[in-house]
Amino acid sequence: QQPVQSPQAVILREGEDAVINCSSSKALYSVHWYRQKHGEAPVFLMILLKGGEQMRHEKISASFNEKKQQSSLYLTASQLSYSGTYFCGTDFRGNTGKLIFGQGTTLQVKP
Amino acid sequence: EAQVTQNPRYLITVTGKKLTVTCSQNMNHEYMSWYRQDPGLGLRQIYYSMNVEVTDKGDVPEGYKVSRKEKRNFPLILESPSPNQTSLYFCASSFRTGRSSYEQYFGPGTRLTVT
Repeated sequence: QQPVQSPQAVILREGEDAVINCSSSKALYSVHWYRQKHGEAPVFLMILLKGGEQMRHEKISASFNEKKQQSSLYLTASQLSYSGTYFCGTDFRGNTGKLIFGQGTTLQVKP
Repeated sequence: EAQVTQNPRYLITVTGKKLTVTCSQNMNHEYMSWYRQDPGLGLRQIYYSMNVEVTDKGDVPEGYKVSRKEKRNFPLILESPSPNQTSLYFCASSFRTGRSSYEQYFGPGTRLTVT
């Protein structure tokens, strides 16, 4: 049931773009995205709901394809502060508090 | 300041010695969860709670117990810790927003080593 994230790791130069994908084998109610910097707790970025619109957080946006049970996180014009590990969390039932996270995608942005 | 607190932050213990990791939130959130994080495995949910006295198993509940007697507190109990429970543990709390979804606020983490 754990969603699959791809790629596992990506290295960028400042200003470059990246896409992180999250795929589920089960129908999803919502998808959450979090970022975790080294040695810190995960921090919420955004939620994508069934039938909802594409969300944005600064220069980070995300989409949710309900039919394909996939979500993608788009990082535009990446900054050094974007470095960290990104996790998608999948919610299959809605309104329960149960989330299943992917294994994470490590993003490193270099000057 | 809105926050989730965990104690202790670091703990080294021996196999079989019962321990409790406390978690408290000051945001009046209904939902609370415990996760463990291990390299390459992401965050795995141990238990979650939808409200006082309402808890349910996550994906890796074996060897753990929880209770939710008050809305703000959600302690994690390891009755007989074993070395495979060595991990980084996060508590999180969340609320309902708009269309019945929620964002999770994570505590700072507790690094547990069982020898």
